[in-house]
Amino acid sequence: QQQVKQSPQSLIVQKGGISIINCAYENTAFDYFPWYQQFPGKGPALLIAIRPDVSEKKEGRFTISFNKSAKQFSLHIMDSQPGDSATYFCAARGGSSNTGKLIFGQGTTLQVKP
Amino acid sequence: GAGVSQSPSNKVTEKGKDVELRCDPISGHTALYWYRQSLGQGLEFLIYFQGNSAPDKSGLPSDRFSAERTGGSVSTLTIQRTQQEDSAVYLCASSLVDGPYEQYFGPGTRLTVT
Repeated sequence: QQQVKQSPQSLIVQKGGISIINCAYENTAFDYFPWYQQFPGKGPALLIAIRPDVSEKKEGRFTISFNKSAKQFSLHIMDSQPGDSATYFCAARGGSSNTGKLIFGQGTTLQVKP
Repeated sequence: GAGVSQSPSNKVTEKGKDVELRCDPISGHTALYWYRQSLGQGLEFLIYFQGNSAPDKSGLPSDRFSAERTGGSVSTLTIQRTQQEDSAVYLCASSLVDGPYEQYFGPGTRLTVT
């Protein structure tokens, strides 16, 4: 119930293409869904986040699509650039303890080819 | 303003030794989290602090792990009698307690137990 499942594990996209990463969850008590971007040797950086009462949120080239009934959400990176090559983690907050801890997906390594 | 800082950035220790990892959260952030990231894995929650108290310690893997926070600011994660399986990157994050929910991560401490 506390898991967040992320796919694919790795992704290769051509420059200018659309990168799509998917996550699924079971716990309907989750109330906040962030995406983090992590470069090698760095800590995760918050990219974009969404609440379950919104179906889509867009910030620049990054969009989260949220399907509450399916308990799924996805990150779309439009016009992907080589500088977007990094590991992306989805996460969910809340649940039974509601202490704010984040439950993370396993991560997706994105490579954008020039 | 300054972000979350962690020290040391790297720590190599011998099996059986004790180590202390330090986290300085963003000023004014009363919530503090420790996570662990093993090689190629997602982030695993360890402990949550609200102020100086730790209402959620559910992620600590064994009684060799402990953490404290003083003055509502700096936190120290201590691992006693380190084992090789403790090798990982230890990440600290901070946020406001009452929202918004964004957690901001430090750069992490890479711990290697030989």
